[in-house]
Amino acid sequence: QKEVEQNSGPLSVPEGAIASLNCTYSDRVSQSFFWYRQYSGKSPELIMSIYSNGDKEDGRFTAQLNKASQYVSLLIRDSQPSDSATYLCAVNSLGGATNKLIFGTGTLLAVQP
Amino acid sequence: EAQVTQNPRYLITVTGKKLTVTCSQNMNHEYMSWYRQDPGLGLRQIYYSMNVEVTDKGDVPEGYKVSRKEKRNFPLILESPSPNQTSLYFCASSPGQYLNQPQHFGDGTRLSIL
Repeated sequence: QKEVEQNSGPLSVPEGAIASLNCTYSDRVSQSFFWYRQYSGKSPELIMSIYSNGDKEDGRFTAQLNKASQYVSLLIRDSQPSDSATYLCAVNSLGGATNKLIFGTGTLLAVQP
Repeated sequence: EAQVTQNPRYLITVTGKKLTVTCSQNMNHEYMSWYRQDPGLGLRQIYYSMNVEVTDKGDVPEGYKVSRKEKRNFPLILESPSPNQTSLYFCASSPGQYLNQPQHFGDGTRLSIL
């Protein structure tokens, strides 16, 4: 079973700190990796996408990918209370006849004022 | 405005009464899919369509049907809804067939089957 795993949390950080969210995946042929943010009862919204090993930065967000370790992470610098949400890691699965995005169950982030 | 539109947003209905949730995107995307989201289980794919000619099952297709007669629309059909299909449903679309670009999500449809 191809899976994407995340710690469910909650991950609690003080305002202004760095939040570190982690994700591991099992499908070695995966090529595209995404982080989504989801507020309760709302639809997922894209935060970052990453396709090659290394770091990718966008404002306060940095995505890190290590394909050898099958690991992808999201760092949020200067965390704000508005960042409190569930963060979903998603990985494309192209093995065999499948072509779909597999989501982790998400990590709940709570930023304390 | 580029968007994925789902209707209805909320629906309460009874067991066995056929229903359709519509999904339409105005971005000329090739790939469309349906997910359901349940507490503790995350987003699970029901069906997906790589393009107008290709539709395939996701991880939880039982009890659902879809059709992709035209690129922009991808309705989800529950022929005989049951209470275990009570869930939050999302439609999503992506530009390319092979998910090398992010998916855009609709606002969701909350279904309650009594």
